[in-house]
Amino acid sequence: EADIYQTPRYLVIGTGKKITLECSQTMGHDKMYWYQQDPGMELHLIHYSYGVNSTEKGDLSSESTVSRIRTEHFPLTLESARPSHTSQYLCASSDSMTETQYFGPGTRLLVL
Amino acid sequence: DAKTTQPTSMDCAEGRAANLPCNHSTISGNEYVYWYRQIHSQGPQYIIHGLKNNETNEMASLIITEDRKSSTLILPHATLRDTAVYYCIVRVATNAGGTSYGKLTFGQGTILTVHP
Repeated sequence: EADIYQTPRYLVIGTGKKITLECSQTMGHDKMYWYQQDPGMELHLIHYSYGVNSTEKGDLSSESTVSRIRTEHFPLTLESARPSHTSQYLCASSDSMTETQYFGPGTRLLVL
Repeated sequence: DAKTTQPTSMDCAEGRAANLPCNHSTISGNEYVYWYRQIHSQGPQYIIHGLKNNETNEMASLIITEDRKSSTLILPHATLRDTAVYYCIVRVATNAGGTSYGKLTFGQGTILTVHP
């Protein structure tokens, strides 16, 4: 059973606000990922990390930023939210041995 | 990573086996076949993966053809809660040469509907 958590689960916020989506895992996994998914559409990788102090952009360009100061924590930040950022954001982690990714429950973001 | 092809949708009666096919004709020798599912926009859930041998766990069985160009995920006794989008993904499992960062490329998947 995967132990990966995301908060908040739902967020409604106004344009221009700064937001941080939290993601934590207790499995000691080195690799962590952020995906973005619009309703009924495919998941797209927007950020990933190999480990502490490692962050990389994913396949889909995103105005968000991430940080990895601790192994268990991989927050995603939007400095100035816009309606185009409305989506579901999914966090995942994997260990380097099996590469199996375990996903959190997601954060549904609505920017008005 | 090799591209996969899956049917858009499938139906299955509750209690019967659900057999979900996946074609991956361009798969390379070091690429694994992974299956995930996503229930009603929750986070995707890992099901099973394999390289060339058939695999079975508590959730499902994975049958990979001898030439590895296709595979079938089998849910032996489908329940209503198995209704989901099922994704077949082919990718390198190890960080060989530092070029693989564990990316999963999700396609459209197969919408499996289990009905009473």
